Amino acid sequence: QVQLVESGGGVVQPGGSLRLSCAASGFIFSSYGMHWVRQAPGKGLEWVAIIRYDGSNKYYADSVKGRITISRDNSKNTLFLQMNSLRGEDTALYYCAKDLSASGWHPDYWGQGTLVTVSS
Amino acid sequence: QSALTQPASVSGSPGQSITISCTGTSSDVGGYNYVSWYQQHPGKAPKLMIYEVSNRPSGVSNRFSGSKSGNTASLIISGLQAEDEADYYCSSYTSSSSYVFGTGTKVTVL
Repeated sequence: QVQLVESGGGVVQPGGSLRLSCAASGFIFSSYGMHWVRQAPGKGLEWVAIIRYDGSNKYYADSVKGRITISRDNSKNTLFLQMNSLRGEDTALYYCAKDLSASGWHPDYWGQGTLVTVSS
Repeated sequence: QSALTQPASVSGSPGQSITISCTGTSSDVGGYNYVSWYQQHPGKAPKLMIYEVSNRPSGVSNRFSGSKSGNTASLIISGLQAEDEADYYCSSYTSSSSYVFGTGTKVTVL
């Protein structure tokens, strides 16, 4: 069965950096697009970024553009999110999610998330 | 990109049907058939319930159905059950090659 396990979250000071990872198993990782979605405590879902199955195309929410980079290593079945210049409003539970297809826009399976707290 | 608009809460009695609306613009909901719906129980990850407006993933109960008219999509839950009590989010692809979620709706089973 599909498993997505996020890691790398923690407490970081404003302006700091963090790299999140998502280890995937139970499906052919290199055949599917992947998303990052975040949820601030007690708030709704906010889409962050998507990367196509082969890493050829990446798209970002305006709120993170220029500060966050999505990448993947298909040889290691792992998705990454490099976050720089972090702000208080980046505090959230970060989920990685598999897409229904290689180039679609439908997150289907989600991990359990990793918590990022930006605070001094 | 502004969040899609959903009612904050919807309630119904067991066995009843409820409808959750999701209003966007012609640049998102109205412009594409890439509307999805997610169910999220407290402390849990979201679960895909409907994709491409009206398609159900394998394993999702046929009590859940979706539709769209113009800039508004709808999720219909028929035969409401206690286990349906959760938060529900719509989502859509947008014309700026991004993705947007709705504001979320809390469903309460009376």
